[in-house]
Amino acid sequence: GAVVSQHPSRVICKSGTSVKIECRSLDFQATTMFWYRQFPKKSLMLMATSNEGSKATYEQGVEKDKFLINHASLTLSTLTVTSAHPEDSSFYICSASKRLAGVGVYYNEQFFGPGTRLTVL
Amino acid sequence: KQEVTQIPAALSVPEGENLVLNCSFTDSAIYNLQWFRQDPGKGLTSLLLIQSSQREQTSGRLNASLDKSSGRSTLYIAASQPGDSATYLCAVTGSGGGADGLTFGKGTHLIIQP
Repeated sequence: GAVVSQHPSRVICKSGTSVKIECRSLDFQATTMFWYRQFPKKSLMLMATSNEGSKATYEQGVEKDKFLINHASLTLSTLTVTSAHPEDSSFYICSASKRLAGVGVYYNEQFFGPGTRLTVL
Repeated sequence: KQEVTQIPAALSVPEGENLVLNCSFTDSAIYNLQWFRQDPGKGLTSLLLIQSSQREQTSGRLNASLDKSSGRSTLYIAASQPGDSATYLCAVTGSGGGADGLTFGKGTHLIIQP
């Protein structure tokens, strides 16, 4: 299997506080994990690539000091939204990359967590 | 920069019809293409993954094709059912393989009328 969990599933916080979201690959090791964000009625946008043991790579327009990513082990990546503001309210979803065996080839597939809905008041 | 476009944005059809969702991408140097389903307020359910060397994949009533050179993919849903109502997302991975994130289209919002 390839199961990815996220915690919490839903969080409501006051403006100015920090929120940590955990992403875990439960039954496989993931060197690479990804964080996405989805605003209401919009599609998912890649925020950053999280690599175990190294600094995350952020997409253009994503503030690395605001969205802190730590990938301390092969099964856990965390996203911390620092000093959250109402405009950070969104659906945050992670994925973990797993190497699979196809027909005569190996390939990587991303498996997604269930997402975290963040509401900043 | 890769861009993924999905047509139509919304579709409403009676139960039992066969339908086709379209996806196009601007950079043909992809590693793979995936179709997902997303129910309102929920996460993603992976439907089909097509590797760049493949032409199509099938799962039950779903069939996805890939024409990498023209930058197009289609998702064919046979004998649609009300339970198929959801938003369908197309996404591609860059040629970097496991090191690249997915670029998503905006989705097709599908309603199957009972």
